[in-house]
Amino acid sequence: GQQLNQSPQSMFIQEGEDVSMNCTSSSIFNTWLWYKQDPGEGPVLLIALYKAGELTSNGRLTAQFGITRKDSFLNISASIPSDVGIYFCAGRSVLYNQGGKLIFGQGTELSVKP
Amino acid sequence: DTAVSQTPKYLVTQMGNDKSIKCEQNLGHDTMYWYKQDSKKFLKIMFSYNNKELIINETVPNRFSPKSPDKAHLNLHINSLELGDSAVYFCASSPKQTSSYNSPLHFGNGTRLTVT
Repeated sequence: GQQLNQSPQSMFIQEGEDVSMNCTSSSIFNTWLWYKQDPGEGPVLLIALYKAGELTSNGRLTAQFGITRKDSFLNISASIPSDVGIYFCAGRSVLYNQGGKLIFGQGTELSVKP
Repeated sequence: DTAVSQTPKYLVTQMGNDKSIKCEQNLGHDTMYWYKQDSKKFLKIMFSYNNKELIINETVPNRFSPKSPDKAHLNLHINSLELGDSAVYFCASSPKQTSSYNSPLHFGNGTRLTVT
């Protein structure tokens, strides 16, 4: 079935550092989304991308829809302790788009040391 | 508050029992979903309903039966619970998906199911 490869799986960084994570797919996607999940809660949307090459920012977060339509990255600048959580990429394949099916990456667990 | 709300938040039960999880959204969305998050945090779609009609049914055991009485509700009933059903189950909703419009999903806060 369709899979997304998200890396890294985990990151331990110092407060103030920048963070980068990415996702790649085996097929072309028409939507890339980035979510954050805090403990005990559901994933919350951070950034949505709909066009190849699109670069979108949300505060200290920046994400891009890869030109090949098979990848996306998320950058967090000047990390703070509340950035701690699990970040998921998610997307919709051009081929496997039945019913709006959203496929998730494996997640990147971010830890920030004050 | 506009949201996707699911109940209960925690559910502890024994093997063989039947249980239900309820989900309601007041966002006016047409499409609702159930996702399962395993112990490794992987999120996998189970079902998708669009305006009460089943759209997606992944390879889920038929012990799991979703029911959508109206487009604002999607409940999940599980028969004969097994140890491997222990996970966090997330309900989500989105506006209607079309070939030219792909909108994000809005998630509830999850139901942690523990089968003993």
